[in-house]
Amino acid sequence: NAGVTQTPKFQVLKTGQSMTLQCAQDMNHNSMYWYRQDPGMGLRLIYYSASEGTTDKGEVPNGYNVSRLNKREFSLRLESAAPSQTSVYFCATQKEPYEQYFGPGTRLTVT
Amino acid sequence: GENVEQHPSTLSVQEGDSAVIKCTYSDSASNYFPWYKQELGKRPQLIIDIRSNVGEKKDQRIAVTLNKTAKHFSLHITETQPEDSAVYFCAASIEAAGNKLTFGGGTRVLVKP
Repeated sequence: NAGVTQTPKFQVLKTGQSMTLQCAQDMNHNSMYWYRQDPGMGLRLIYYSASEGTTDKGEVPNGYNVSRLNKREFSLRLESAAPSQTSVYFCATQKEPYEQYFGPGTRLTVT
Repeated sequence: GENVEQHPSTLSVQEGDSAVIKCTYSDSASNYFPWYKQELGKRPQLIIDIRSNVGEKKDQRIAVTLNKTAKHFSLHITETQPEDSAVYFCAASIEAAGNKLTFGGGTRVLVKP
C-alpha cells in the first residue's frame, strides 16, 4: 500500500522544454489535486479532479495542463517550461469528505 | 476568492512552553480548516482539522479553535518538544466547492531544548 506516489523526484529542465509529472494513488480516492510550493510560501492549487474524466482549474493554472487518465492517475504537464515554474510540486488525494493526503513531491528546476 | 493569512511567520519557543499560531480567512462560506506540519524536505502532513460546526477540537498536545464570527482559527501546541520543530500551515476550503484548499503562508516553529 504505497499511498500517493510521484515521479520523478527531481528534474532539471531548460527553458522551453516540456515534461509530465506523474501522480498515482492506491487509496481508491475520487478527488486528486496538484499544488505548487515556492520557497518560504504556502501551497497553491494548480488543478484538481473531482473524479475520473473531470478536471478544473485552481488558483494558478496558467502554463499547465492536466490529465486524469483513470481513477488512480493524475498527471501534470508543462508544455513550455519557464523559470517561474521552478518549484516543488505536490500531488494530493482526498479521503471523503475532507482530508487531503500529499505525495512526496517533485522538485523541479527550470534554467 | 478565499484569502488566508497566517501569523506569526516564525515562532521560537522553549521546550515545554506552548505555541500558538493564528489564521484568518476571508470567505464566510469556508467550512473546513485543516492544519499541516511540514518537516524540511518532506511532504505536508495533516495533523488536525476542524469543521465549521465545531468550535474546538483536541488531539493530545494539539488543539484547534475556530471563531466563525471573527473568521479566524488557531493552532495550540502545549508542552512543546524538539520534534515539534517544523513549518506549520493552516488552510481553508468550502467542501461543496470541490474542497479546494487555500493555504496560509506558513509558520516556522523552532523549539529550543
